[in-house]
Amino acid sequence: GQQVQQSPTSLVLQEGENAELQCNFSTSLNSMQWFYQRPGGSLISVFYNPSGTKQSGRLTSTTVIKERRSSLHISSSQITDSGTYLCAMEPSSGSWQLIFGSGTQLTVMP
Amino acid sequence: GGIITQTPKFLIGQEGQKLTLKCQQNFNHDTMYWYRQDSGKGLRLIYYSITENDLQKGDLSEGYDASREKKSSFSLTVTSAQKNEMAVFLCASSTDRGREQYFGPGTRLTVL
Repeated sequence: GQQVQQSPTSLVLQEGENAELQCNFSTSLNSMQWFYQRPGGSLISVFYNPSGTKQSGRLTSTTVIKERRSSLHISSSQITDSGTYLCAMEPSSGSWQLIFGSGTQLTVMP
Repeated sequence: GGIITQTPKFLIGQEGQKLTLKCQQNFNHDTMYWYRQDSGKGLRLIYYSITENDLQKGDLSEGYDASREKKSSFSLTVTSAQKNEMAVFLCASSTDRGREQYFGPGTRLTVL
């Protein structure tokens, strides 16, 4: 079965609204990252957050290992936040790879 | 800080052709990875290497070879290009297992 479930698939917001993106994992994890990607663009690491809560500006990531989930909160969204957000986890056993969710496509409207 | 460079940015080949993609990093990271990103889908691992001259197969290794002759570089060869593997190929590196992975800008493969 799918090891990383990401939701929602897409999200449309008005500028200034908040967003909450979720990832759930089916196995225990070594590490967890959130990435941002524009169409045709490279993957930009937003957070490396294997556990706990991290904040950077308007973005906050919380990973709860015991519950096998991670969230990305975007407050006061801006048009430039539009793009695809991907979560990825490295399982604690098996090969050294990040397993990616299918992404959340975020559109922020003026 | 450091940077990951991938060449070429765009690669166009004929069906059945052997094609090579290159990746260089100056982070001095031990581990390097090749992922494939198909349109509208997440990334999947092709190969990774935990040190110079080491190679480990990922879930998508069939149809590909890899080479890690130097710590700073990791090459990927498409052994016989097929139309269904048109995708963006992304190289990444990290210091070790479970550490943050940094990604390059990607190589977009088109097969005619």
